[in-house]
Amino acid sequence: GAVVSQHPSWVICKSGTSVKIECRSLDFQATTMFWYRQFPKQSLMLMATSNEGSKATYEQGVEKDKFLINHASLTLSTLTVTSAHPEDSSFYICSARVPAASQYFGPGTRLTVL
Amino acid sequence: DAKTTQPTSMDCAEGRAANLPCNHSTISGNEYVYWYRQIHSQGPQYIIHGLKNNETNEMASLIITEDRKSSTLILPHATLRDTAVYYCIVRSRMNSGYSTLTFGKGTMLLVSP
Repeated sequence: GAVVSQHPSWVICKSGTSVKIECRSLDFQATTMFWYRQFPKQSLMLMATSNEGSKATYEQGVEKDKFLINHASLTLSTLTVTSAHPEDSSFYICSARVPAASQYFGPGTRLTVL
Repeated sequence: DAKTTQPTSMDCAEGRAANLPCNHSTISGNEYVYWYRQIHSQGPQYIIHGLKNNETNEMASLIITEDRKSSTLILPHATLRDTAVYYCIVRSRMNSGYSTLTFGKGTMLLVSP
C-alpha cells in the first residue's frame, strides 16, 4: 500500500516557540493532504484540508494563524504550530489522498510543549 | 455522511474470530463503509471498504447487510497484534472524489492470550 511518512516522530519544545512537522507521500502523488489532531483517549479530529498549490481549508475552531499549513508539492505538506503552548500538546497525524482512492495515514508526531 | 454507532469495547481470545459490528442506519446509496484501525500511538491503518457486496482481503472480511443499515468486520483469527481501536466510517463518493474521513469513537478491541 501507499506510504506516508512524518517527521519528526516526536518533539518537545518550550512554550512560545514554533514547531514544524513534515508529511510526505513516499510512493505516490497526493493531490489532497489532511491534518488531524488527537488528544489522549479521544478520537482523531480533522484540523484542515489542503490541496497542492492552494490555501488550506480549516475546520471550525482551528486557528489558521496558529496552525500554518503549506502544501507546496504533490508529495510534501508541512504543519507549523506557531507560538506553541502546553494546550497544543497532542498527537498530530497527517493523511494523504489521491482522487477516487483511499486515504493513507502517517505514523503521527507526538508534540509536547513544556 | 451518515453517522455510525459502534460498541465502545470488545474482547476476543487469541486465535478466535473477532466480529466487530457497526450500525449505519441512515446510510445513503452513494455512501461506502470503510474500516480503519489505530494501534496505540500510531496512525490509522486502512483495513477494508465496501458498498453493498461482501468484501474480503488479506486482513479481514466485511459483511454488509442487504439493507446496508449495518455491517460487521471479521478478523478470522485474531492475534495479540490486532489489539487496537477499530473505526467504522461511512464515506460518500462524489464526482470530485470521496468525502473526507471523519472518525467517531470506534471500538476498542482487546485480544487476550
